[in-house]
Formats: sequence, C-alpha cells, structure tokens
Amino acid sequence: GQNIDQPTEMTATEGAIVQINCTYQTSGFNGLFWYQQHAGEAPTFLSYNVLDGLEEKGRFSSFLSRSKGYSYLLLKELQMKDSASYLCAVRGISSGSARQLTFGSGTQLTVLP
Amino acid sequence: NAGVTQTPKFRVLKTGQSMTLLCAQDMNHEYMYWYRQDPGMGLRLIHYSVGEGTTAKGEVPDGYNVSRLKKQNFLLGLESAAPSQTSVYFCASSSLQQGDSNQPQHFGDGTRLSIL
Repeated sequence: GQNIDQPTEMTATEGAIVQINCTYQTSGFNGLFWYQQHAGEAPTFLSYNVLDGLEEKGRFSSFLSRSKGYSYLLLKELQMKDSASYLCAVRGISSGSARQLTFGSGTQLTVLP
Repeated sequence: NAGVTQTPKFRVLKTGQSMTLLCAQDMNHEYMYWYRQDPGMGLRLIHYSVGEGTTAKGEVPDGYNVSRLKKQNFLLGLESAAPSQTSVYFCASSSLQQGDSNQPQHFGDGTRLSIL
C-alpha cells in the first residue's frame, strides 16, 4: 500500500516563497505528481518528478528524494491567485499499466496581501 | 478545448434512488478514472478503465458500478444511493503513448452529489 503525508494548511504573504512538503511510503515508486486545485474546481497538473533532483517550471519548482521518500513544491513570488489546495500524488510500481495515482489529502495554501 | 466533461454538475438524490454520472473526453485517451473527494481525505479512486470494454476496481468501489462501452465515455452508476455517497466526484483521463510515463491525468470539473 501507499501512504502520503502533507501539511493540512499553510499561510504565506504575497511576494514571498513557500515550500510545501510531501512524504510518502510506498511498496514501489514510479513517479510523483503535484496538482493545484482551486476551491470548487478541478485539479490541474503542475509538475512531475521520477528522478532525484529539482524540476523547475517558471515560479514553481518541485524536488524529489527517492531514498528519503520526500518531495517538496516550491512556489516563488507568491500571488493572491496561488491561494489553492496543492495535492501530492504518487504512482506506485504495483499500478502497472493503469497509471493509478494515490493522492495525499492536500495542503490548503492561503496567500495574504 | 473541451478536455474532460462531466454531467451533471450538481445533483440531489434521496436514499435508495439510482443515477448515472457521465464522463466524456475528447483527447483520445486510453485510461479513464473515477474519484471521489471528501473533506480531509483527498481524492480516492473508485473504478478505472484501461481501454474500451474494460474496467477495474479502485480503492473504494463498493456501491458503485462503471461501464466503458465507448473509448471516449466512462459512466459511473449508483444503484441505490446512500448518504455516505454524498461527495464530489471527479473523472480523469490519461494517455497511453509509449514513453509517456510523465503524462498527467486530466480532470473534469466534478459532479457535486448530495444524498438525503
């Protein structure tokens, strides 16, 4: 089975940097995804990591350490529109060809002016 | 750019009633998924499909049935609705292309279902 932990809530100030952590325990690992979900809307894809290291995409970066079962999402130059829930999701090897994901409960980020 | 479309967007049912949620995708994706999202519990997989005519159980399949008669459509059925099935239901799809292990799942806007 798989278990994913991330903080329930975080608060940060507009223009600042925030790091959202995700730890996971899985019987096998085949990739980690980060999604953003605004209230009442669908989750949208942000980033993907399968190898150790940092993936940068504009203001958003995601880091992975497979040996530690750890990832983080880094948001720079925070904007009010970044207020949303951020979901960490892991794909295990046992998923096979179905590409199933196991999601964490999400971190609700509030950006204050 | 329709992507993944879910109907209906909202529905209120009485206990014991049945209904079907429809998911349609126009991206020619092989894989389709149904999730439910409840406060504090994240997205949980109900059923999924790896292709037309095939379905499989996910993490929380009890009380639900699915069908994938056409590649672009994935239907979720509740035969006898229960208050515990009050939730937001999301459909998602993803591609099968070779070497595309980083292809993400694309989600619909969700169906908000209340069972009284």
